[in-house]
Amino acid sequence: DADVTQTPRNRITKTGKRIMLECSQTKGHDRMYWYRQDPGLGLRLIYYSFDVKDINKGEISDGYSVSRQAQAKFSLSLESAIPNQTALYFCATSDYEAGVVYNEQFFGPGTRLTVL
Amino acid sequence: AQSVTQLGSHVSVSEGALVLLRCNYSSSVPPYLFWYVQYPNQGLQLLLKYTTGATLVKGINGFEAEFKKSETSFHLTKPSAHMSDAAEYFCAVSKGSNYKLTFGKGTLLTVNP
Repeated sequence: DADVTQTPRNRITKTGKRIMLECSQTKGHDRMYWYRQDPGLGLRLIYYSFDVKDINKGEISDGYSVSRQAQAKFSLSLESAIPNQTALYFCATSDYEAGVVYNEQFFGPGTRLTVL
Repeated sequence: AQSVTQLGSHVSVSEGALVLLRCNYSSSVPPYLFWYVQYPNQGLQLLLKYTTGATLVKGINGFEAEFKKSETSFHLTKPSAHMSDAAEYFCAVSKGSNYKLTFGKGTLLTVNP
């Protein structure tokens, strides 16, 4: 089974609808991230969480909200979807150890969201 | 603020030819640098990373990259391209383990038979 899973994998919705994308991980990592990928723009960070009680905005958080229900679960919500939120969304996780310079981020397979 | 510039949104090479994907960064502190690869319909996976120490780093699948501080570059190379290398490649920079990654816009590598 995959270490980082995302549901749904594909979703088509209409403008104004509320959408939730879910991410679960079995890696035991404290840190989780939500990114958005658009063609030609690379990945941009929406929100990140260093632990269950620590949630931070990324560079493009407007129009999005998140919930960290447990160490293993991090959900992204679009309260009122709009067409320019059509994109590929990735969840990622990373571990943290004091004294370790950097911990690799592990990505889920992505959710393709289309807002009509 | 940190930033990453990947020169060339699309690179096309022949099978067996040298692969060179360019990445330049800007950072106010010594950076940590990464290359990720995204195969079609998949998430990103780490190819290699530079944090400290040796400036030439080797990654998976025969790729390597060299950190050149004087040129603020971290170009990715592979001596001989395989068809299986066709993917999108992302360069990323971070200030450290408590800081987020900033990604470049990506370079799509096409390998021709």
